[in-house]
Amino acid sequence: AQSVSQHNHHVILSEAASLELGCNYSYGGTVNLFWYVQYPGQHLQLLLKYFSGDPLVKGIKGFEAEFIKSKFSFNLRKPSVQWSDTAEYFCAVNALGSARQLTFGSGTQLTVLP
Amino acid sequence: DAGITQSPRHKVTETGTPVTLRCHQTENHRYMYWYRQDPGHGLRLIHYSYGVKDTDKGEVSDGYSVSRSKTEDFLLTLESATSSQTSVYFCAISESRTGTEAFFGQGTRLTVV
Repeated sequence: AQSVSQHNHHVILSEAASLELGCNYSYGGTVNLFWYVQYPGQHLQLLLKYFSGDPLVKGIKGFEAEFIKSKFSFNLRKPSVQWSDTAEYFCAVNALGSARQLTFGSGTQLTVLP
Repeated sequence: DAGITQSPRHKVTETGTPVTLRCHQTENHRYMYWYRQDPGHGLRLIHYSYGVKDTDKGEVSDGYSVSRSKTEDFLLTLESATSSQTSVYFCAISESRTGTEAFFGQGTRLTVV
């Protein structure tokens, strides 16, 4: 069964700092990968997704993520964060061929200080 | 935003009482899911449905049942609510089991006292 690990539980940055949130998954087969964001009091929204092709994917609001198959990783990056990026970020994996559905990591709370 | 409506949005109930949460979609998506969100656990799948009257268990299904009598509605029932079921519940929909993203509802905050 697949699992997802997000090692950073809470990240605090100042505005304009660069961001990288780690995501590792465990599954030996083909996967679809997602990053979702949840702003305070709101539902989850898709930031970006990887299905195949270029391992560097760009999403909304200046976010990007790189799929490194050999490391089973899908880290989220942003060169310069804003106060409005304060939110909880979830990595998720959908393992093709598995009976399991979308599996989420435990989330990373990002706080951006003005 | 995808057309997903969860009701109620907030509920407080007593231990031992039955509770039903409703998820209604207007997108005609085949797959519907119920997740619970708890601090430190992210989202965990409770049950999902891949069509009318076709449902299956997720990783935390104990104490929950679901029904889907119409494409647009997916009900989650707590037969006898316990304090451990205090959580935020999210409904999600997707067009297929794999290969597409899931869209989430606004969530239902359930408190069992």
